[in-house]
Amino acid sequence: AQKITQTQPGMFVQEKEAVTLDCTYDTSDPSYGLFWYKQPSSGEMIFLIYQGSYDQQNATEGRYSLNFQKARKSANLVISASQLGDSAMYFCAMREGRTGNQFYFGTGTSLTVIP
Amino acid sequence: EAQVTQNPRYLITVTGKKLTVTCSQNMNHEYMSWYRQDPGLGLRQIYYSMNVEVTDKGDVPEGYKVSRKEKRNFPLILESPSPNQTSLYFCASSHTPTLAGGPRETQYFGPGTRLLVL
Repeated sequence: AQKITQTQPGMFVQEKEAVTLDCTYDTSDPSYGLFWYKQPSSGEMIFLIYQGSYDQQNATEGRYSLNFQKARKSANLVISASQLGDSAMYFCAMREGRTGNQFYFGTGTSLTVIP
Repeated sequence: EAQVTQNPRYLITVTGKKLTVTCSQNMNHEYMSWYRQDPGLGLRQIYYSMNVEVTDKGDVPEGYKVSRKEKRNFPLILESPSPNQTSLYFCASSHTPTLAGGPRETQYFGPGTRLLVL
């Protein structure tokens, strides 16, 4: 089974609107970390936001927030007030706490912001 | 400046010709890792290293070797490259993942190496 599932290969959003990128994960480990990365067309991987499985509150970093629903095993990224520079690939990733050593990435969502 | 560097950035080679992609980090990170990125497949972990002289296989280790003789360096070796190893390769580093987790285990990535094997 896939550890990380991103079901939206491509998304479009109007500039200044909010957008939600979906991510579901599969683990039986009670301790895990969830990450979102952005990959612009230039190719580098940019860390956006982190959520720990024991964190009581949803993570936020500027215009990025993580809608963490533990029971549903989902960790959706919300980008508020989209900007043209947000057009990129977005990857969700997970590390399981007890095995500790491997990171798992989803297949990514390509976001296009329309002026 | 804190960074992960990879060399070369672009490489065209032929089947069977041994090559090494270097990776170096200046953040004193214990954990280092190699990934390959292919369209529609996302990033897949090839090998990782928890510290010097400690390496382990990720999800797609076949056809690759690594070594970790120094904390800052983690080269990826393709002994006999084949066309199915044509890909975009990333090196990444972080502090040691722990049971408690936390933002410290966030991985920082190098700029990537585009490899074409003919």
